[in-house]
Amino acid sequence: GENVEQHPSTLSVQEGDSAVIKCTYSDSASNYFPWYKQELGKRPQLIIDIRSNVGEKKDQRIAVTLNKTAKHFSLHITETQPEDSAVYFCAASLNTGNQFYFGTGTSLTVIP
Amino acid sequence: GAVVSQHPSRVICKSGTSVKIECRSLDFQATTMFWYRQFPKQSLMLMATSNEGSKATYEQGVEKDKFLINHASLTLSTLTVTSAHPEDSSFYICSAPHWSSDGYTFGSGTRLTVV
Repeated sequence: GENVEQHPSTLSVQEGDSAVIKCTYSDSASNYFPWYKQELGKRPQLIIDIRSNVGEKKDQRIAVTLNKTAKHFSLHITETQPEDSAVYFCAASLNTGNQFYFGTGTSLTVIP
Repeated sequence: GAVVSQHPSRVICKSGTSVKIECRSLDFQATTMFWYRQFPKQSLMLMATSNEGSKATYEQGVEKDKFLINHASLTLSTLTVTSAHPEDSSFYICSAPHWSSDGYTFGSGTRLTVV
């Protein structure tokens, strides 16, 4: 199956700074890449996603970039706030109807 | 939006007993359900895919006889952890491929503790 790697595993930033999380995937057939935010003991929440026919997508302070040739995609959070503190997971899937393979997660801490 | 109801949210059981976790799609038909397991501070690991009316597909390394999956109807999928041991203690979460404004529809998760 798909293998998704995610870096860094932990990330601390000052409030207002930017945070970048990177993921790589192994299956070139994957074409859907969501990012999830998960708070302790709760279900993952979709924050942004991107499909393989798009190189970049932005939603307010959050953006995702995709390089299909290199098989990597990144999450960018600007103007970070303490409430952004959580664990973030990237995932890859063949399409929106298929199972996700999740990255290993990044614990983000935004220091006030 | 689409909702998957997962029960129980927390369960504590003794070693050797079995525990059943249910996931119900409340306002849509879930022909497929994905089951994930998450150990503390780790990622969500896909365990198996259940399909209504057919046998589940298990990921490599997941014991099908230990984690019994049944998808008897279009709205209900169950995961039974048989002969549970402390190492089975984990957060189990289901997900149905139904698109909503919140993306993929996840259940609320079940925290299993085996003592």
